[in-house]
Amino acid sequence: DSGVTQTPKHLITATGQRVTLRCSPRSGDLSVYWYQQSLDQGLQFLIHYYNGEERAKGNILERFSAQQFPDLHSELNLSSLELGDSALYFCASSVGRGSYNEQFFGPGTRLTVL
Amino acid sequence: DAKTTQPPSMDCAEGRAANLPCNHSTISGNEYVYWYRQIHSQGPQYIIHGLKNNETNEMASLIITEDRKSSTLILPHATLRDTAVYYCIVRPHSGGYQKVTFGTGTKLQVIP
Repeated sequence: DSGVTQTPKHLITATGQRVTLRCSPRSGDLSVYWYQQSLDQGLQFLIHYYNGEERAKGNILERFSAQQFPDLHSELNLSSLELGDSALYFCASSVGRGSYNEQFFGPGTRLTVL
Repeated sequence: DAKTTQPPSMDCAEGRAANLPCNHSTISGNEYVYWYRQIHSQGPQYIIHGLKNNETNEMASLIITEDRKSSTLILPHATLRDTAVYYCIVRPHSGGYQKVTFGTGTKLQVIP
């Protein structure tokens, strides 16, 4: 158990819908990272937040947005969903602000878009 | 981030050492080599990292060549539970907010 929690574990929805994925980092960690992993693909970095502020962006679509709240939990919002958005979404946390810190990954949310 | 190249798959007999190579020929002087693994759609797990000296912890050893253009992760006595995808990543170890790039990794199959 990494100490990072993600909810929900599974999510099934339809095209065009909007969903919110939630991540609670390890106690004391200030950084949260979001990743997308499509079937048989590597992990694609989406976005990094440190202490409430966006710090780095990867290949995140404009239909996707994220935020980190004062209690440090984070939410990833996916809108106008398409079939291709079906994937595992992981969040990770680390204690520091740099991407070089060891990252602890949550169990992931499996999103299925029908 | 510097690009890394790993073989897509490898087999290893249970109880034997698993040696997973990674090529990072464009690595910069301030970039460390990190290894993570992902067991069957679980969240990736950190294994080890190093700069230029060989490193060892309770999970694995990391051997980095003198020119730092390649490295090898060694699992000394592979078990069935080591079957996973192993990712080699390079990134700076100081400052900065970097895009973190995982490749497609090496799928290690440990065979009984």
